[in-house]
Amino acid sequence: EAGVVQSPRYKIIEKKQPVAFWCNPISGHNTLYWYLQNLGQGPELLIRYENEEAVDDSQLPKDRFSAERLKGVDSTLKIQPAELGDSAVYLCASSLVMNTEAFFGQGTRLTVV
Amino acid sequence: DAKTTQPPSMDCAEGRAANLPCNHSTISGNEYVYWYRQIHSQGPQYIIHGLKNNETNEMASLIITEDRKSSTLILPHATLRDTAVYYCIVRGNSGNTPLVFGKGTRLSVIA
Repeated sequence: EAGVVQSPRYKIIEKKQPVAFWCNPISGHNTLYWYLQNLGQGPELLIRYENEEAVDDSQLPKDRFSAERLKGVDSTLKIQPAELGDSAVYLCASSLVMNTEAFFGQGTRLTVV
Repeated sequence: DAKTTQPPSMDCAEGRAANLPCNHSTISGNEYVYWYRQIHSQGPQYIIHGLKNNETNEMASLIITEDRKSSTLILPHATLRDTAVYYCIVRGNSGNTPLVFGKGTRLSVIA
């Protein structure tokens, strides 16, 4: 069974440019998460979806970050415009339902120069 | 904020048991203890979770104290591939409790 797939694995962009990350969760998983991980820190939740509905986006910086999960399957996370401080690893995870174990993708490492 | 306290780092000799402690003194009655680990350049990986009783699976054992204020993750025979950051997470079972990660314990397994 395929795990959570994220792309790209690495992305380098100049500041003020837009960037998008894509996540394909495990088939049948209704809950999808986006996490941000800074160097030396644990992952921090950005947004959680139950099917296509964003049920917790309180930690998402909405002035520059946006996310969508059309049809309740794949999801994209976008940053526009990117800032130097956005350099981090962006992790996607999915679970069958909320409060079951979550499975993480390998993440996208973003470097903003 | 994370509800757990873990040592920042530990070493373990290959082949020996690795015992990773976690304090969660403010845990409430309906909250579970979860353990995840993160190997370098990978996403976190679920290991085990428990409520009150000790749990064991193919990866590890989880020992929870009777008062539930602390727990220990045991890797019975650590290998070099177990070198990772281990996260202890307290999580409720209601419909609105995501995983909240702290900084974890960096376990180094030494040959």
